[in-house]
Amino acid sequence: EVQLVESGGGLVQPGGSLRLSCAASGFTVSSNYMSWVRQAPGKGLEWVSVIYSGGSTYYADSVKGRFTISRDNSKNTLYLQMNSLRAEDTAVYYCARASRGITYPWGQGTLVTVSS
Amino acid sequence: DIQMTQSPSSLSASVGDRVTITCRASQGISNYLAWYQQKPGKVPKLLIYAASTLQSGVPSRFSGSGSGTDFTLTISSLQPEDVATYYCQKYNSAPFTFGQGTRLEIK
Repeated sequence: EVQLVESGGGLVQPGGSLRLSCAASGFTVSSNYMSWVRQAPGKGLEWVSVIYSGGSTYYADSVKGRFTISRDNSKNTLYLQMNSLRAEDTAVYYCARASRGITYPWGQGTLVTVSS
Repeated sequence: DIQMTQSPSSLSASVGDRVTITCRASQGISNYLAWYQQKPGKVPKLLIYAASTLQSGVPSRFSGSGSGTDFTLTISSLQPEDVATYYCQKYNSAPFTFGQGTRLEIK
């Protein structure tokens, strides 16, 4: 069964850093496109980043230069390193397999709150 | 970057009604368009990909159409369990932008 489990969310002060993890099972992370998508409270879905199977990475303009997507093939785990966090980064962060770009399945999400 | 615009932003319809939601891309994306359903408090669920291919397990009252810049999601006979927010997403190339969402309610 394909499963994605995010962790690493929490409360962080503005300007701080956080690293999200997404442990995958039932498939190989390195053989797939993998994405992060976020949803601010009461708002819509916002695509954040993708890492292609070949290793290329892409980011939304809103996080470019502050967030870094990566993966650990030995742990079959996806990461999102978030630096210089702002209040507007407060959201539930979902990881998802993005096979051929189609975002499915999704993890349950992890909440990141940026506040002093 | 290509922008995705959904209409309407919200919609109220009666059980049994035919419901149509539109998604427009600012540039052509062929058929690289997916639709997702998100019920309150739940994780988004893939409904349709490749503009018109129904994901396994999705009821046949859902259908998608379109190509290029204009796409539609249709629910042929609205059911109470269809109350949700619906999103389109382009995936021809990164960024894999979502539409702003359409909130569907029962009248």
